[in-house]
Amino acid sequence: KNEVEQSPQNLTAQEGEFITINCSYSVGISALHWLQQHPGGGIVSLFMLSSGKKKHGRLIATINIQEKHSSLHITASHPRDSAVYICAVKSGGSNYKLTFGKGTLLTVNP
Amino acid sequence: EAGVAQSPRYKIIEKRQSVAFWCNPISGHATLYWYQQILGQGPKLLIQFQNNGVVDDSQLPKDRFSAERLKGVDSTLKIQPAKLEDSAVYLCASSKGLTTDTQYFGPGTRLTVL
Repeated sequence: KNEVEQSPQNLTAQEGEFITINCSYSVGISALHWLQQHPGGGIVSLFMLSSGKKKHGRLIATINIQEKHSSLHITASHPRDSAVYICAVKSGGSNYKLTFGKGTLLTVNP
Repeated sequence: EAGVAQSPRYKIIEKRQSVAFWCNPISGHATLYWYQQILGQGPKLLIQFQNNGVVDDSQLPKDRFSAERLKGVDSTLKIQPAKLEDSAVYLCASSKGLTTDTQYFGPGTRLTVL
C-alpha cells in the first residue's frame, strides 16, 4: 500500500464546476504539498500545509492532521486548470524528504 | 530569478547504452534532488545532496545509477548500462536547505530506452 493515496485518479469536469481532489496518507508528516504538473512540463508547487487551510486565487487546500487527509479544491474551474495534481508529504526526522502520490489527472472541458 | 535548469530535455537510447543528465539548481540552493517519474506514477526520490554530500540515496539502483555534485552546485546523474524499465522522466529539484519548505523543480529529462 502506498504511503500517499490520491483520489480520484482521473477527473473530467465542465468549465465552471467545483473540483475536489483528495489525498490520504499513512505516515507521520511535518508538511503536505500540493503540486501541479502540466503535460510535458515541470512541476510547480501550489501549496505547503502543516495545518488548517490555505487559499490562492481559485485554489483552496485544507488538511486534517488527525484524520491524515487533505483536499485540494478548485472553484470556477477553467480548461487551463487541466493538469496532473500531485500530493506529496514531507516526513519528519533529520532528513526531510517528499513522498509523492501518483497524481490526479484533471481535464476541464470548455 | 533563474529556475532549475536541466539538459537534455529528451534522450532516446538503446538498452545497455549509457546516458548522463545534467542539472543546475537555483543559485544559492544547498539541497539538490534527483527524482525518477515513471509514466502514470508520482516522482520517486533517487538521491538527495546537501552541498556536495549525499543525504539519502537509499532508492538509487547503485549497480547502474550514479550521481555526483562535486562542487556543491550543478549535478550529473548517470545510468550505465540502461535498461528498458529506466524509461521515465528524470526530474531535478532544489531547495535552500534540508528543512526548507519549497522544492523548485526543473522541466525534467524524458528518457526513452529502446
